[in-house]
Amino acid sequence: GAGVSQSPSNKVTEKGKDVELRCDPISGHTALYWYRQSLGQGLEFLIYFQGNSAPDKSGLPSDRFSAERTGGSVSTLTIQRTQQEDSAVYLCASSETGFGNEQFFGPGTRLTVL
Amino acid sequence: GQNIDQPTEMTATEGAIVQINCTYQTSGFNGLFWYQQHAGEAPTFLSYNVLDGLEEKGRFSSFLSRSKGYSYLLLKELQMKDSASYLCAVIFGGYQKVTFGIGTKLQVIP
Repeated sequence: GAGVSQSPSNKVTEKGKDVELRCDPISGHTALYWYRQSLGQGLEFLIYFQGNSAPDKSGLPSDRFSAERTGGSVSTLTIQRTQQEDSAVYLCASSETGFGNEQFFGPGTRLTVL
Repeated sequence: GQNIDQPTEMTATEGAIVQINCTYQTSGFNGLFWYQQHAGEAPTFLSYNVLDGLEEKGRFSSFLSRSKGYSYLLLKELQMKDSASYLCAVIFGGYQKVTFGIGTKLQVIP
């Protein structure tokens, strides 16, 4: 079966523009995670969905970031008024249920804010 | 936030054994992951420990001591393809937050 897919694979945008990143998890996986990885930095956890709900949004870096998941499947991460420090690889992962289960990562979206 | 400490770089010889350590603050601990990440690729899952002790999976083993806030990843019979970054990640708190260490870049040499 298909793995986790993300789109776009690369996104170059101008500072101040909004961007929307998409994640398609593995079919049947109820848990979905967003991370980002800046150059030379470790993985940073952003948000976790169990079904359509995210119990804790405090991992999002600022109020310019929002995420939603509909139908227990596809998720979108939206960054409003992008800043240069938002440049990073944004990774999505899914697992059968919640934390404690193997997470399968997508290939990531490389975001560059000019 | 929680601090996850692991060495930034290690070098080991093909065929040898290497141990990568990870320490963390014990408060709110719920579980610990190890991931492998090759350069330019997404991480892949290696192990998940929630109870004390050693879990073996082929050439890779992971150990956890919850009271000491300590884990290690043991790689046996090293192969050149094992050259990668190894990420230690800890789940903290009731809402299942996860914190990653910076990762240990392992170089396997002939």
